[in-house]
Amino acid sequence: EVQLVASGGGLVQPGGSLRLSCAASGFTVSNNSMAWVRQAPGKGLECVSVIYSGDSTYYADSVKGRFTISRDNSKNTLYLQMNSLRAEDTAVYYCARTWGHWGQGNLVTVSA
Amino acid sequence: DIVMTQTPLSLSVTPGQPASISCKSSQSLLHTGGKTYLYWYLQKPGQSPQLLIYEVSNRFSGVPDRFSGSGSGTDFTLKISRVEADDVGVYYCLQSIQPPFTFGPGTTVDLK
Repeated sequence: EVQLVASGGGLVQPGGSLRLSCAASGFTVSNNSMAWVRQAPGKGLECVSVIYSGDSTYYADSVKGRFTISRDNSKNTLYLQMNSLRAEDTAVYYCARTWGHWGQGNLVTVSA
Repeated sequence: DIVMTQTPLSLSVTPGQPASISCKSSQSLLHTGGKTYLYWYLQKPGQSPQLLIYEVSNRFSGVPDRFSGSGSGTDFTLKISRVEADDVGVYYCLQSIQPPFTFGPGTTVDLK
């Protein structure tokens, strides 16, 4: 059974950093394209980053240069390192095996 | 960027009656390889989005056959043959033919 278990959300001050993790089971992360999608409070869905099986990556303009997507093949886990966080990054962040299985959301709140 | 639009934005349906949601893209989602990269999701209240339909018309694992997808190029439709109480939530379409991967604004479905 495919499962994605996300962790690492929380409250952080503007300019701070946070790392989200997404532990996968039932499939191999390195053999699949994986994505992070976020949803600001009361808003729609925005794809912020994708990592392909061949290691190439994609970032939305809104996070380019601040966020880094990566994976640890030994732990079968996907990560999103978020630096220089802004209030507008406040959202529930979902990890997804593009585009079928999604993890539970993790709330990231950027506030002083 | 490819812009996704959905109509209607909200829909009240009598249980047992059909429902239909339209999704239009600003560019064709037909890839040169022959696949069309259009997906449909349902986000139930308080939950992660769940994939219903992939590549226009293919039901994802475990999705009831009352859900069907159709369309081509830039015009797509999700149909629910007989709406049930479990179908309430927000429906999104997604294009993944080219980054940035974009979602429609969502269609909220509730029961009369």
